[in-house]
Amino acid sequence: KQEVTQIPAALSVPEGENLVLNCSFTDSAIYNLQWFRQDPGKGLTSLLLIQSSQREQTSGRLNASLDKSSGRSTLYIAASQPGDSATYLCAAYDSSYKLIFGSGTRLLVRP
Amino acid sequence: GAGVSQTPSNKVTEKGKYVELRCDPISGHTALYWYRQSLGQGPEFLIYFQGTGAADDSGLPNDRFFAVRPEGSVSTLKIQRTERGDSAVYLCASSLQGVGEQYFGPGTRLTVT
Repeated sequence: KQEVTQIPAALSVPEGENLVLNCSFTDSAIYNLQWFRQDPGKGLTSLLLIQSSQREQTSGRLNASLDKSSGRSTLYIAASQPGDSATYLCAAYDSSYKLIFGSGTRLLVRP
Repeated sequence: GAGVSQTPSNKVTEKGKYVELRCDPISGHTALYWYRQSLGQGPEFLIYFQGTGAADDSGLPNDRFFAVRPEGSVSTLKIQRTERGDSAVYLCASSLQGVGEQYFGPGTRLTVT
């Protein structure tokens, strides 16, 4: 059974720092991996989707990597801003196409 | 084009009542998913439809929960005899086929008092 874990559960950094959010999964036979952002009381905003044949994806200040052999993905945020404050969720697409989510990392970027 | 929509956005009901939550997927998407998100947790899978049929309902917590998608488009999640533990945000997602990126709706926040 696929399990997704995110570390740390919460993170507070000063504005301008580069930071890394970690995601690990137990079954390397994932189909795709996706990172989402969730603001308090809101729905999910897709950030990056990494297909199983890819190693990374980039969008603006965000870069996500995928290493299936080690069961890990990281989300790198460059030059963090207060507007980046949110919960970041990692989710793996399993063989039956449903998403298995981690519990998220709550990020606070202090001005 | 229009994204995934869900109605109502908020629903408050009394313990023991019946509720229906509606999801309208992106036009042309054959796959539809329901997830439930409790406070402080990531979403958890409930059920997956491919067309009109439930391809995987392994995430439904018990027989009080039921979902339909009679015409292969709009889906309704039905909860009977609601309990306070059912309070959560119910999220719907759709994808072009079973394979591919899922697009999420804004969710329905259900509160059972």
